Amino acid sequence: NAGVTQTPKFQVLKTGQSMTLQCAQDMNHNSMYWYRQDPGMGLRLIYYSASEGTTDKGEVPNGYNVSRLNKREFSLRLESAAPSQTSVYFCASGGDFSYEQYFGPGTRLTVT
Amino acid sequence: AQSVTQLDSQVPVFEEAPVELRCNYSSSVSVYLFWYVQYPNQGLQLLLKYLSGSTLVKGINGFEAEFNKSQTSFHLRKPSVHISDTAEYFCAVSDTGGFKTIFGAGTRLFVKA
Repeated sequence: NAGVTQTPKFQVLKTGQSMTLQCAQDMNHNSMYWYRQDPGMGLRLIYYSASEGTTDKGEVPNGYNVSRLNKREFSLRLESAAPSQTSVYFCASGGDFSYEQYFGPGTRLTVT
Repeated sequence: AQSVTQLDSQVPVFEEAPVELRCNYSSSVSVYLFWYVQYPNQGLQLLLKYLSGSTLVKGINGFEAEFNKSQTSFHLRKPSVHISDTAEYFCAVSDTGGFKTIFGAGTRLFVKA
């Protein structure tokens, strides 16, 4: 039981490049989330998926797109990376009736 | 709109001393409240949560928190800390739909020998 896994762990991009962050969970949770963590700002919700086939914007969606590929997988895409997107990105899945979230280990992204 | 304020960005404390990490929230609707812990270079993990019922909530690793509706607070406490409690702690609030969770900026707890 791996919980929530994320790939890659580290990534360096040049401004304007694109990439996709991958996330998978093996807990059969319906909801999944993408957050970014910046110093002094806590975690901010980028997008979430309440169930397979649905996605919704969170607090800071600009510059990102998501895909809920199936119940297990939820990917985050940066189409044209900007230095302001330098951050640590966390994926999480949510217990259906417990409301708590289970987090992956994070992806540290640097955009130069 | 909901918001969360963690009143201390850093809290240094000696080993075996008690500690309180303060959290205030604002919301116009009923909320669920959480404390998460993040150890260096790891994701967050749940310490405890308040959904309903008793306002004193006990979590893992000897932590507890008290929900105070009149003061809109959810402070985290531990009677005796260990070096291994050194980490960053996040207070979070969500509405009863549970999908949109707002996190505080975090409190770094440093436990000194």
